[in-house]
Amino acid sequence: GNSVTQMEGPVTLSEEAFLTINCTYTATGYPSLFWYVQYPGEGLQLLLKATKADDKGSNKGFEATYRKETTSFHLEKGSVQVSDSAVYFCALSASGTYKYIFGTGTRLKVLA
Amino acid sequence: DTGVSQDPRHKITKRGQNVTFRCDPISEHNRLYWYRQTLGQGPEFLTYFQNEAQLEKSRLLSDRFSAERPKGSFSTLEIQRTEQGDSAMYLCASSSTAGQGFGNTIYFGEGSWLTVV
Repeated sequence: GNSVTQMEGPVTLSEEAFLTINCTYTATGYPSLFWYVQYPGEGLQLLLKATKADDKGSNKGFEATYRKETTSFHLEKGSVQVSDSAVYFCALSASGTYKYIFGTGTRLKVLA
Repeated sequence: DTGVSQDPRHKITKRGQNVTFRCDPISEHNRLYWYRQTLGQGPEFLTYFQNEAQLEKSRLLSDRFSAERPKGSFSTLEIQRTEQGDSAMYLCASSSTAGQGFGNTIYFGEGSWLTVV
């Protein structure tokens, strides 16, 4: 079946450090891939997405590239800020279904 | 443009009681989803509607759970005879059917926290 695997957290970084959160997926066909962010006490917000292989999604300094050969969609940011502290979820929407599948989330803590 | 709104935001109930959550999607969205999220986990799919039709249900949606979207606008999720294992955040989301089809973004509400004591 379709699934998403994320690196376990928490990830703790100092401000201005480089961030990578790994995400790999299993899916039939050509899924669309998403990163959502959840701040404490809030619902999920879309951060970025990519709908086909080799697409790069980007937003607010975050980037992720859809790599079909490695079935990955790793999230990166060159310089994190304290305000980026949140839980990040990788998700997919597989062809033929409108059921979005989420990973377990990776908590990021950025220290000043 | 208002986002997805959910009510109530928090509910504490005694085991065995019934609870109902309401979701109002983004007005032009005809697809509506319910997810459940427990602490430290990602959202788990429960069900989704396209207009008023419930098109898919998860095995997680036991017979104590029922969701409706009677006029294709707001939706309700009712849990009957609540159990402590039902304690979770219930998330509603909506999306449009226009554009990219399966790649459409789903927009989440802030969730309804349920605590069963």
